[in-house]
Amino acid sequence: EAGVVQSPRYKIIEKKQPVAFWCNPISGHNTLYWYLQNLGQGPELLIRYENEEAVDDSQLPKDRFSAERLKGVDSTLKIQPAELGDSAVYLCASSPTKGRNTGELFFGEGSRLTVL
Amino acid sequence: GQNIDQPTEMTATEGAIVQINCTYQTSGFNGLFWYQQHAGEAPTFLSYNVLDGLEEKGRFSSFLSRSKGYSYLLLKELQMKDSASYLCAVRDSGYSTLTFGKGTMLLVSP
Repeated sequence: EAGVVQSPRYKIIEKKQPVAFWCNPISGHNTLYWYLQNLGQGPELLIRYENEEAVDDSQLPKDRFSAERLKGVDSTLKIQPAELGDSAVYLCASSPTKGRNTGELFFGEGSRLTVL
Repeated sequence: GQNIDQPTEMTATEGAIVQINCTYQTSGFNGLFWYQQHAGEAPTFLSYNVLDGLEEKGRFSSFLSRSKGYSYLLLKELQMKDSASYLCAVRDSGYSTLTFGKGTMLLVSP
């Protein structure tokens, strides 16, 4: 079974430029998460989707960050414009439908963003 | 809100046993997870506790005390490849999001 796929793995941009990250969750996983992870820190939630609905986006900085999950499968996370402090790893994770297991999250390898 | 606390760093010797503690304060509780994360890689699931007690899985065990808001991850027969960050994460209620601690960086030396 294929895992969570993210792209690009690495991205270097100048500040004020836009950037987008893409995530393809594990097939059949209805819940999708975007987390941000700074060096030496644990992942911090940005947004959680149940199918195509964003059910928790309270930590998403909406002035510059946006996300979508059209058709309830793939998702994109966009930053426009990027700031120096956005340099981090952006992790996508998915989990199966409630009630079928412990609800553990399966993570992709992440997209490492460097803003110069 | 949630507060999850774990030590920043730990060191141990190959073949030894190490215990990584995690304390949490949450408004509700519906499970505690431990993840392992090697440098530059994705976090991978290690264990899950929702009831009090010890869950054993090979060289790794995880313990939970809900009344104390406390968990630990026990790693036995340490190997060099166990050098990684260990993340404690709590789900507060229902089927909601996991909130992660800052992670404990474990360094295993020969």
